[in-house]
Amino acid sequence: AQSVTQPDIHITVSEGASLELRCNYSYGATPYLFWYVQSPGQGLQLLLKYFSGDTLVQGIKGFEAEFKRSQSSFNLRKPSVHWSDAAEYFCAVGGRNNNDMRFGAGTRLTVKP
Amino acid sequence: DVKVTQSSRYLVKRTGEKVFLECVQDMDHENMFWYRQDPGLGLRLIYFSYDVKMKEKGDIPEGYSVSREKKERFSLILESASTNQTSMYLCASLQEYKLFFGSGTQLSVL
Repeated sequence: AQSVTQPDIHITVSEGASLELRCNYSYGATPYLFWYVQSPGQGLQLLLKYFSGDTLVQGIKGFEAEFKRSQSSFNLRKPSVHWSDAAEYFCAVGGRNNNDMRFGAGTRLTVKP
Repeated sequence: DVKVTQSSRYLVKRTGEKVFLECVQDMDHENMFWYRQDPGLGLRLIYFSYDVKMKEKGDIPEGYSVSREKKERFSLILESASTNQTSMYLCASLQEYKLFFGSGTQLSVL
């Protein structure tokens, strides 16, 4: 069965610093990969998705993610973090028919002034 | 905009009660999902449905059942609520690989 591992439970970065959130997946076929963000008291919002093609995908709010098949990873990056980026971030994996979407445990991001 | 509506934002139930959590989407989506969200565990898939009357178990189906009699409605049922089912429950529907979530139901079982 597919699964997602987010190794970092909590990350703290300074405002303006770069950010990388790690995600490793396990999936028997070609994975469809996603990053979602959940701001405090808010619902989940899709940041970006990868299906095929260019392994570097751009998302909303200045985020990007890189798919590395050899490492089974799909890490999320942002060059310069803003205080409003403080939230919980979830990596997810699904299949072609997307009948089953699995999420990681999440990484909580704190942004220091 | 897609709208996924969960009937209750907060629920308090007693151990042993039968609990129904309702979810309705307004976009004729085929795929719908129930997750529970717990701190440190992320979202865990309970059940999903890919068509009317069709359902599949997710990773943690024990103690839960689901019903999908109409395409727009996907119900989660706790047959006999227990304290370890206290959690935030999230319903979602899927369109073109994007999940649309409801606002969640915080269930407390006392």
